[in-house]
Parts: sequence; structure tokens; C-alpha cells
Amino acid sequence: AQSVTQPDIHITVSEGASLELRCNYSYGATPYLFWYVQSPGQGLQLLLKYFSGDTLVQGIKGFEAEFKRSQSSFNLRKPSVHWSDAAEYFCAVGYNDMRFGAGTRLTVKP
Amino acid sequence: DTGVSQDPRHKITKRGQNVTFRCDPISEHNRLYWYRQTLGQGPEFLTYFQNEAQLEKSRLLSDRFSAERPKGSFSTLEIQRTEQGDSAMYLCASSGPRLAGTDTQYFGPGTRLTVL
Repeated sequence: AQSVTQPDIHITVSEGASLELRCNYSYGATPYLFWYVQSPGQGLQLLLKYFSGDTLVQGIKGFEAEFKRSQSSFNLRKPSVHWSDAAEYFCAVGYNDMRFGAGTRLTVKP
Repeated sequence: DTGVSQDPRHKITKRGQNVTFRCDPISEHNRLYWYRQTLGQGPEFLTYFQNEAQLEKSRLLSDRFSAERPKGSFSTLEIQRTEQGDSAMYLCASSGPRLAGTDTQYFGPGTRLTVL
């Protein structure tokens, strides 16, 4: 069965520091993987996606993620966090019936 | 704005009442999805349509939930005899035909339901 685990419920980083948000998945076939961001009162916005090919994918707002099949992981990274990155981040797997993780809330300290 | 739109944005109802939500997808998208998101959780898939055909509905939460997309454009999600546990954000998303680069689901702002 498909499932997604985001082990960190809440992460706090200082502005300008690097960021890594963890995502582990369980999927029976080659997964379609996504990262979405949700700001308060806003809809879900796609940051990046992986379908196939290069395992390091670039997204919007300076984010990237690396697909590691051997670890069943798809971690999200950003080299330097901005205060505007504070939001809830969701990893998702699947195609039509996507499964989402519970989310990681990011707080950015000035 | 040509994104996914949902109406209403907020709905307060009393337990036992029926409610209906509307979703208008991005115009060229043929697939439409409904999700529910409760506080502190990620979205939970409910159902989806390809054009007017409802291709997956086994994950609708109970027989009180139903969805339609009669002309393959907008969709409605109805909850009958609402319960307090139905209080949540209901999200709609749409995606294009199954071609490279068009499989991404784009989400609307959601309808927040409060059942008193």
C-alpha cells in the first residue's frame, strides 16, 4: 500500500541557514513523488516533482529534492532559507489518488 | 485568474444538514480530484473524475458523501446529514491529459466546513 512518512512535525531554522525536510515513502512501483507547500490561508502550491530520469530535481523558490530508491526517500533541500519560506510542507506519492504525508511545519528565526 | 476555484470558501452548518461545494477546474484540464484535509494532517484523497466519468470513489468516506461532474467541467461534492466529524477543509484539484509535464495536480483554495 502507498504511504508517506514525514518524520519531523516541526522544524525551526535560522534565516540564511540550510534546510532539509525528510520524506520516506512506500510504493509498489516506480513512484511519482511531489513536494507541495501550504502557507496559512493559501492553497497547496507545487514546489517540485519526480516522475523519472535525473534523481536530483530542481523546483521553484530555490528548492531541490533528491530521489533515493535504495532508501525510499525524497528529501527536500534548500541551501539558504528566507523568512518567507515559513509554511507547512507536504510530501506526496502516487498518481491520481495521491497519498500525502502529515506535513512538516517550518518556522524561520530572524 | 485561471486557477482552480472553489465556492464557497467557508461554510458553517448545523449537524444533520446537507451541504454542497462547487469546484471549477482549470479550463483545459480533464481530470478533477477531491481531497479532505483535517487540522494537522495532509490532504486525504476522496475521489476523482476523468471528464464526466468518476473513476475512483471507493475512498469516499461514507455513503453520505457523493460527487458529480455532469458535463465534464465543474464538479460538486455533497455531504448529506452532516456530522461534527465532517468539519474539515475540502480541497479540489485538477490536472491535464496524461501527457508529459501535464500530470501535476493544481489545487484550489479549499472550502472550510464547520459543522456545529
